[in-house]
Amino acid sequence: EDKVVQSPLSLVVHEGDTVTLNCSYEVTNFRSLLWYKQEKKAPTFLFMLTSSGIEKKSGRLSSILDKKELFSILNITATQTGDSAVYLCAFSGGGADGLTFGKGTHLIIQP
Amino acid sequence: NAGVTQTPKFQVLKTGQSMTLQCAQDMNHNSMYWYRQDPGMGLRLIYYSASEGTTDKGEVPNGYNVSRLNKREFSLRLESAAPSQTSVYFCATQSGTGGYRARGYTFGSGTRLTVV
Repeated sequence: EDKVVQSPLSLVVHEGDTVTLNCSYEVTNFRSLLWYKQEKKAPTFLFMLTSSGIEKKSGRLSSILDKKELFSILNITATQTGDSAVYLCAFSGGGADGLTFGKGTHLIIQP
Repeated sequence: NAGVTQTPKFQVLKTGQSMTLQCAQDMNHNSMYWYRQDPGMGLRLIYYSASEGTTDKGEVPNGYNVSRLNKREFSLRLESAAPSQTSVYFCATQSGTGGYRARGYTFGSGTRLTVV
């Protein structure tokens, strides 16, 4: 059975801190790993990673995939209160049969 | 360009009642999905439709039925609602083309369903 495990499940930090969110996976047919940010409503896309060792960056957010060790991390530097959200990791087998999600990391940034 | 539209946004049902959640997309995407999200559980796939005319079970299909009415619309039906079906339901679409189709997922804004 395909599995995506995120850690920690929740995290509280102060504004300005750097956080690292973890995602490990055990899947039979890996094609890509995705990160989403979910605030009050629908998940919004952050990154898609398909190749090992290549960092994707967008402003203060970055992510990297290790296909040998089967994990990915999402880094957020200089955190702001607007970064407070649930961060979801998901994998795709590349077909049309949907994404498999982890349970998410609930990140709270305190002023 | 509305993207993915779900109706209703909120619903309260009594145990045993039935209802249909509607999802419509104007993105001309081939694949459509229904997920449910419970606290601390991430999103779990209920049913999906890879293309018009086909539907398949996902991880948690029990208690639900779906209809892919046409390319635009994919509905989710609860025949006899149970409190365990209290959840937030998301419809999503995917273009179904290209080498890395996963990037093309688009989510609706969700339906919050409470069964009492």
